Amino acid sequence: SQTIHQWPATLVQPVGSPLSLECTVEGTSNPNLYWYRQAAGRGLQLLFYSVGIGQISSEVPQNLSASRPQDRQFILSSKKLLLSDSGFYLCAWRDGGWNEQYFGPGTRLTVT
Amino acid sequence: GEDVEQSLFLSVREGDSSVINCTYTDSSSTYLYWYKQEPGAGLQLLTYIFSNMDMKQDQRLTVLLNKKDKHLSLRIADTQTGDSAIYFCAESRGNTGGFKTIFGAGTRLFVKA
Repeated sequence: SQTIHQWPATLVQPVGSPLSLECTVEGTSNPNLYWYRQAAGRGLQLLFYSVGIGQISSEVPQNLSASRPQDRQFILSSKKLLLSDSGFYLCAWRDGGWNEQYFGPGTRLTVT
Repeated sequence: GEDVEQSLFLSVREGDSSVINCTYTDSSSTYLYWYKQEPGAGLQLLTYIFSNMDMKQDQRLTVLLNKKDKHLSLRIADTQTGDSAIYFCAESRGNTGGFKTIFGAGTRLFVKA
């Protein structure tokens, strides 16, 4: 069966520090991968999605970036965090041939 | 625009039916979804409906789709306290770069015992 992992589960970082959030998927190959952010009391905002290794589409211009170095690994990064980057970050995957989307447990990021 | 809109809050009594409404904008959407998010957790797919369907029933859940009005609803029969959560409406659009899903802001369902 397929599983999706995210780490860390929680993170507190100072303004201006770098960020690296990792997401990995097991039990499938060539998935579509997604990063979402959920700000407090708000809906999900799609940040990035990827249909293959090295292929990244950015939905919202900001100080975040994403990379997909391996088929089942998706990384969200920042060189310098802003206070507004605080939120709940969710990774998700989808089988390219089927539209159900599966979400990871999320990472709660607090920028202080 | 790309907005998916839904009311932010719904309160019902245990045992009553809950109806959560949503409107979407893209008439070419192929799939429409309802996801559930419990506190501090990721999203869990509850049910989905193909755009060529009007209704789908799955145990206590009934999804109604009005394509003309671009309106989607989720009815939960015999609502229980365990149904308290945030419910997200979403539409999926395919393109040459893959599929992406646009989510509403979520409706927080509060079930009173």
